[in-house]
Amino acid sequence: DGGITQSPKYLFRKEGQNVTLSCEQNLNHDAMYWYRQDPGQGLRLIYYSQIVNDFQKGDIAEGYSVSREKKESFPLTVTSAQKNPTAFYLCASSQQMHGYTFGSGTRLTVV
Amino acid sequence: AQSVTQPDIHITVSEGASLELRCNYSYGATPYLFWYVQSPGQGLQLLLKYFSGDTLVQGIKGFEAEFKMSQSSFNLRKPSVHWSDAAEYFCAVAFRNAGNMLTFGGGTRLMVKP
Repeated sequence: DGGITQSPKYLFRKEGQNVTLSCEQNLNHDAMYWYRQDPGQGLRLIYYSQIVNDFQKGDIAEGYSVSREKKESFPLTVTSAQKNPTAFYLCASSQQMHGYTFGSGTRLTVV
Repeated sequence: AQSVTQPDIHITVSEGASLELRCNYSYGATPYLFWYVQSPGQGLQLLLKYFSGDTLVQGIKGFEAEFKMSQSSFNLRKPSVHWSDAAEYFCAVAFRNAGNMLTFGGGTRLMVKP
């Protein structure tokens, strides 16, 4: 079945560490997105990519980085510069105007 | 700037009662409209979408929504709520001159009383 896979489901990070969240899709979608979700704050866009080898900052890109070397993959790195990384991270993909397909999320906790 | 407003942050209904969740968007080009549902700790699942044609659209799990251009609204309804409908609901809008980027509302958390 086609879909989006996010891994890991739970991730723990020590202070000062970089961590990478994986997002893979087999839907042949051109566009991919990363959102951050905090309790009571809805979805906030971190980065998005409309095509391979190109990506743009969203509303809260500071402290994050991405790459889009393959159509299927859009990994998100949470760097040590992100001061408050504990959150639920959602990856999504889309093709034209058909809406987004979401992954099941990664919960990142700083320990 | 495009915006989507869900005026109700929390709604509580009794099981078996009817439900209406409100969604309004800022004026823009003809919109594409979506409703998503999110269970705790999960991703978002598409309930229904409107692109054109009949302004009353049917979705999964017994939900429907009606597009009213004059009111810039796309309210979600269900005639009889089940306990399993307790979740967070997000309205989203894309405008035809803005590529395929969705703008999301802030969400409405639905609680269902037994």
